[in-house]
Amino acid sequence: AQSVAQPEDQVNVAEGNPLTVKCTYSVSGNPYLFWYVQYPNRGLQFLLKYITGDNLVKGSYGFEAEFNKSQTSFHLKKPSALVSDSALYFCAVRDGALAAGNKLTFGGGTRVLVKP
Amino acid sequence: EAGVTQFPSHSVIEKGQTVTLRCDPISGHDNLYWYRRVMGKEIKFLLHFVKESKQDESGMPNNRFLAERTGGTYSTLKVQPAELEDSGVYFCASSHRRWDEKLFFGSGTQLSVL
Repeated sequence: AQSVAQPEDQVNVAEGNPLTVKCTYSVSGNPYLFWYVQYPNRGLQFLLKYITGDNLVKGSYGFEAEFNKSQTSFHLKKPSALVSDSALYFCAVRDGALAAGNKLTFGGGTRVLVKP
Repeated sequence: EAGVTQFPSHSVIEKGQTVTLRCDPISGHDNLYWYRRVMGKEIKFLLHFVKESKQDESGMPNNRFLAERTGGTYSTLKVQPAELEDSGVYFCASSHRRWDEKLFFGSGTQLSVL
């Protein structure tokens, strides 16, 4: 069974400071990892994904994430946070095996609050 | 390009009543998914349509939930009769190909069962 843990319910950061949102996962096969963001009154929006290749993946809005196989982590990062980054962030995983389908398992979400 | 649209955005009903949620995927997207987030916890998979066929309904919680996608276009999710624990946000998502690595989500339906 797949699982995702986001250990922090909320992350507070000052504008201009680095932002990190933590995610660890468990999957039986090769992991396909994703980050989605939900702004108020909006649907989830895709930020980035790791499928294979370089462990550091870059995504939308200046975000990046680092895949660490030994620690089974996929932390989301942004070097300099903006107030507009305040939102709810979800990490998700699916098994890379074709038989597993395209069913995503999400974490509980982390609310990010960036203060001016 | 129009995104995934969901109706209604909010629904408040009493326990025992019936509610029907609707999802219009992006035009041309054969794959349609329903997810829900209950009590502010994890977003959980409910089911997956490929066109009008149910590909995977392993996440449907019980037989009070019925999903349909007649004609392979829009989908409905009916809850009958609704229970208090059904309250939450119901999301719909779509993708063109089954193995697309990116899903497009609607803004969700907030269901409150009183």
